[in-house]
Amino acid sequence: GENVEQHPSTLSVQEGDSAVIKCTYSDSASNYFPWYKQELGKRPQLIIDIRSNVGEKKDQRIAVTLNKTAKHFSLHITETQPEDSAVYFCASKGGTSYGKLTFGQGTILTVHP
Amino acid sequence: NAGVTQTPKFQVLKTGQSMTLQCAQDMNHEYMSWYRQDPGMGLRLIHYSVGAGITDQGEVPNGYNVSRSTTEDFPLRLLSAAPSQTSVYFCASSYSGGNNEKLFFGSGTQLSVL
Repeated sequence: GENVEQHPSTLSVQEGDSAVIKCTYSDSASNYFPWYKQELGKRPQLIIDIRSNVGEKKDQRIAVTLNKTAKHFSLHITETQPEDSAVYFCASKGGTSYGKLTFGQGTILTVHP
Repeated sequence: NAGVTQTPKFQVLKTGQSMTLQCAQDMNHEYMSWYRQDPGMGLRLIHYSVGAGITDQGEVPNGYNVSRSTTEDFPLRLLSAAPSQTSVYFCASSYSGGNNEKLFFGSGTQLSVL
């Protein structure tokens, strides 16, 4: 089955700095790569996603890049703010496996004021 | 719309007890799934369903049963609770059409097995 590795497990940055979280996946048939943010005690929520036919996608301060050849994708957060502090999960989905995601281990991001 | 509703929010069980975690969604989503979240291990898929009457195993199905008699409900049953099942459980649903594959999560159930 699919395996998703996520790094780093913890990331600490100063407010205003950029943060990058990286994930690799094993199944070359995977075609959908979402990122979820989970604040303390809350449910995970989708913040951005990308499909295998696109190399990059941006949404304000957040961007995701995908390298299909290398089978890795990354989350980029610019101009970080304290409210960006949370756990971030990458995930992948293969083919027509709707509603069935394989998640990475998570990254605890702390943004210091 | 309430979205995805999970009950209970907290539960403490003794080893060997059984219980059912309830999950209901009012968005008419075809796809529903159960994940467990453990520190340092992300979210792992337990069971999922692509429609009423259809279920399949995920990555960590042992010790759990599911059924999907209606589109709205997808309960998760712990047959004989074990300490290894101490975890936070999330139910999720998603739409089946087009490019919208967003998972809508419930608020979670924190389960402790003593």
